[in-house]
Amino acid sequence: SYVLTQSPSVSVAPGKTARITCGGDNIGSKIVHWYQQKAGQAPVVVLSEENDRPSGIPDRFSGSNSGNTATLTITSVEAGDEADYYCQVWDIYTDQSVFGGGTQLTVL
Amino acid sequence: EVRLVQSGAEVKKPGESLKISCQGSGFTFSHYFIAWVRQMPGKGLEWIGVVYPGDSETKYSPSFQGQVTISADKSINTAYLQWSSLKASDTAMYYCARHRKYSGSYFNDYWGQGTLVTVS
Repeated sequence: SYVLTQSPSVSVAPGKTARITCGGDNIGSKIVHWYQQKAGQAPVVVLSEENDRPSGIPDRFSGSNSGNTATLTITSVEAGDEADYYCQVWDIYTDQSVFGGGTQLTVL
Repeated sequence: EVRLVQSGAEVKKPGESLKISCQGSGFTFSHYFIAWVRQMPGKGLEWIGVVYPGDSETKYSPSFQGQVTISADKSINTAYLQWSSLKASDTAMYYCARHRKYSGSYFNDYWGQGTLVTVS
């Protein structure tokens, strides 16, 4: 089955840029979705593909996807961005959704 | 406004059965897949499977096939996740989410508030 690999944690100072990666075999050929989960809350989708954000999600959130790595980039990080972030793809070969293990973003 | 409202927290003993629910509103329930996702304490998200309320088609992750049953009743806009014999390892938060098609992919655009299942 398809596997997505995320680093367990990323730390960044306020106002700086956070980059959260998601690795998978030829992930660049897939559409990647990103979710934010704050403590005690349900996940919320923040990005689909590279720049498709739901209403209410600031343009500080953007993405890239090439080769074996997809990246969620958060610029001008704020304290309110502190959360767990998950990548997700749909595996058309198995008809299943796959989540990465999640990355905990800490704002210093 | 799209909403998914899940049933309340449950405390059960090993071997007991359980059925939790997820009621949708604000959209045509029978036209979307509804997904179930598990989150064990302190862990990440795991996709359990989906149901299409329009015809009750289901798809399961191999990890959960045979361990749970997903169903839906389109007449009351409700999806279900059930167990016939719970284990302590089923202790987790369970989320339902609308499963929406996106350019040949699928993602979850609206989520329920979660149902905490404790088996002890």
